[in-house]
Amino acid sequence: EVVLTQSPGSLSLSPGERATLSCRASQSVNSNFIAWYQQKPGQAPRLLIFGASRRAIAIPDRFSGSGSGTDFTLSISRLEPEDFAVYYCQHYGSSPSFTFGPGTKVDIK
Amino acid sequence: QLQESGPGLVKPSETLSLDCTVSGGSFSGFDWSWIRQPAGKPLEWIGRISTTGSSNYNPSLKSRVSMSIDTSKNQFSLRMSSVTAADTAVYYCARIGSFAPTFDIWGRGTLVTVSS
Repeated sequence: EVVLTQSPGSLSLSPGERATLSCRASQSVNSNFIAWYQQKPGQAPRLLIFGASRRAIAIPDRFSGSGSGTDFTLSISRLEPEDFAVYYCQHYGSSPSFTFGPGTKVDIK
Repeated sequence: QLQESGPGLVKPSETLSLDCTVSGGSFSGFDWSWIRQPAGKPLEWIGRISTTGSSNYNPSLKSRVSMSIDTSKNQFSLRMSSVTAADTAVYYCARIGSFAPTFDIWGRGTLVTVSS
């Protein structure tokens, strides 16, 4: 089973700044099977990125994903007030199975 | 839309049962999942079921979990036996996307507390 590690655990930034979030897999994975989600307090997660780099429907272009092998990144180019949330990466594996990372919390500095 | 329903309180050692009703879109042709999240903790995938009834479960929960589906009602269900306090969580149902193995539509979630 692939284990996902996210860093940092939390990130304090100001609106307008750039956020860079990391997701590392315990073994090399197919980038088609990496996704990112945003979750705000009291809400269900929302799909942001699939296939490591493709934005889901209606996701603003300030969100971008990249990476391959074991290292993946979610970038938010200019933080808006509504972007302060917890972000999870997710992997789809054989069986089939799904695993989530522990999350990165982005809060207002 | 996806809507979870079921008891919000379950006693230890009993069986947790939840339904997810899908409305306003296609049901057949998609796979469906349950995911849970204890307070302040990360998401945990529970299992997945297709509209043909084929299912797969998280190995850590497999011995206690079963899922079923009723295509006539656009509904799928979760049963988790022998629950303990560690099963207290918000339970989400979600759709697995047809073009990528992701959860593209989620229910709002329902809190299930395990307590006597």
